[in-house]
Amino acid sequence: EAQVTQNPRYLITVTGKKLTVTCSQNMNHEYMSWYRQDPGLGLRQIYYSMNVEVTDKGDVPEGYKVSRKEKRNFPLILESPSPNQTSLYFCASRPQGLAGGNEQFFGPGTRLTVL
Amino acid sequence: AQRVTQPEKLLSVFKGAPVELKCNYSYSGSPELFWYVQYSRQRLQLLLRHISRESIKGFTADLNKGETSFHLKKPFAQEEDSAMYYCALSGRSGGYQKVTFGTGTKLQVIP
Repeated sequence: EAQVTQNPRYLITVTGKKLTVTCSQNMNHEYMSWYRQDPGLGLRQIYYSMNVEVTDKGDVPEGYKVSRKEKRNFPLILESPSPNQTSLYFCASRPQGLAGGNEQFFGPGTRLTVL
Repeated sequence: AQRVTQPEKLLSVFKGAPVELKCNYSYSGSPELFWYVQYSRQRLQLLLRHISRESIKGFTADLNKGETSFHLKKPFAQEEDSAMYYCALSGRSGGYQKVTFGTGTKLQVIP
């Protein structure tokens, strides 16, 4: 089944304790992206990747890191989490064609709470 | 820079009433526009895209370049339409396709 998976789905941690949220897709998509969803603010892009070893900042990259060593995986790293990073995180992927119109496929979400 | 504006955070309508979720965009080129839906406790999923000119679950959306709008419409709301709706724009940025989402509108259909 074509899908985007994220792990963990739920995480409660403490300030300053490094964590990684994994994202994997099995559709051979070039483009992958991380978003955070907060009430009243909608979806905001954190980082995106156009292909292996090609990443760039989105609208709210502060406090986050990413890597794209393989096409299927795009982990989100919080080196020193803070309470303002408490949020619902979504990973997404899509083909990176020259034309638009390509649907984004979203993961199930990771609910992170930083105490 | 590209931008998507959804002016309503919450839209409440009665079952059977018409629905219009507003979306305005700012983009200098020819945009690709989408509507995504998120039902309670589920992941986002594509509802429709403007290039397909399709109707999904009774919803339609027409791209109006003059008004830079892509409003989502349905003539008769159903309870199962209650969800969060996001408008999104895909545009070229530095040689790549960048996707920008609006802040979303929560649709509440009252029985």
